[in-house]
Amino acid sequence: NAGVTQTPKFRILKIGQSMTLQCAQDMNHNYMYWYRQDPGMGLKLIYYSVGAGITDKGEVPNGYNVSRSTTEDFPLRLELAAPSQTSVYFCASSYSTGGYTFGSGTRLTVV
Amino acid sequence: AQKVTQAQTEISVVEKEDVTLDCVYETRDTTYYLFWYKQPPSGELVFLIRRNSFDEQNEISGRYSWNFQKSTSSFNFTITASQVVDSAVYFCALSQYSGGGADGLTFGKGTHLIIQP
Repeated sequence: NAGVTQTPKFRILKIGQSMTLQCAQDMNHNYMYWYRQDPGMGLKLIYYSVGAGITDKGEVPNGYNVSRSTTEDFPLRLELAAPSQTSVYFCASSYSTGGYTFGSGTRLTVV
Repeated sequence: AQKVTQAQTEISVVEKEDVTLDCVYETRDTTYYLFWYKQPPSGELVFLIRRNSFDEQNEISGRYSWNFQKSTSSFNFTITASQVVDSAVYFCALSQYSGGGADGLTFGKGTHLIIQP
């Protein structure tokens, strides 16, 4: 089992550029999440989804968009990259009894 | 709103010493899950433990042990006979029990543990 797969692992963006961080899981989990981790901080929830077609904002959603057209995929879109979005991004999925599986992370730098 | 506080930003000990990482949480829920994750220098998140709020038994797994005290809203983590490989950032986290924790985890800021040889 691959678990949760995130691509790319690293990316450098220029201010104002757009990109999509990909996340896919093969465990048939209903719930999926995007977190960001800034240096010296814990992970903060950006967006989450409880199933295909349903998404909701987390603690820090500004500057991001998500979609969930299938159970497996939960892409995160940055429309106009800003230096404040330099961070490590983690995707996660879970089943209803509270077990979470995390991807290996995407390190994004906006210059 | 939920909150997790890890007051120790960084701890440095010499190998073979015991070390305890503190975690204090706040939640209005009567039932919830508590977690500990390890983040080694390579950056991935490694799951260590999940505990239901209605199970207050302490747990031991090898050199790791966890002390859950609902009365003080604490879920502390002890490493016995620490090793250099234990050097990492450790996160405590909380999720709701109702709804299967669908709205995700609330993380503390983490404790950076340094084990010196």
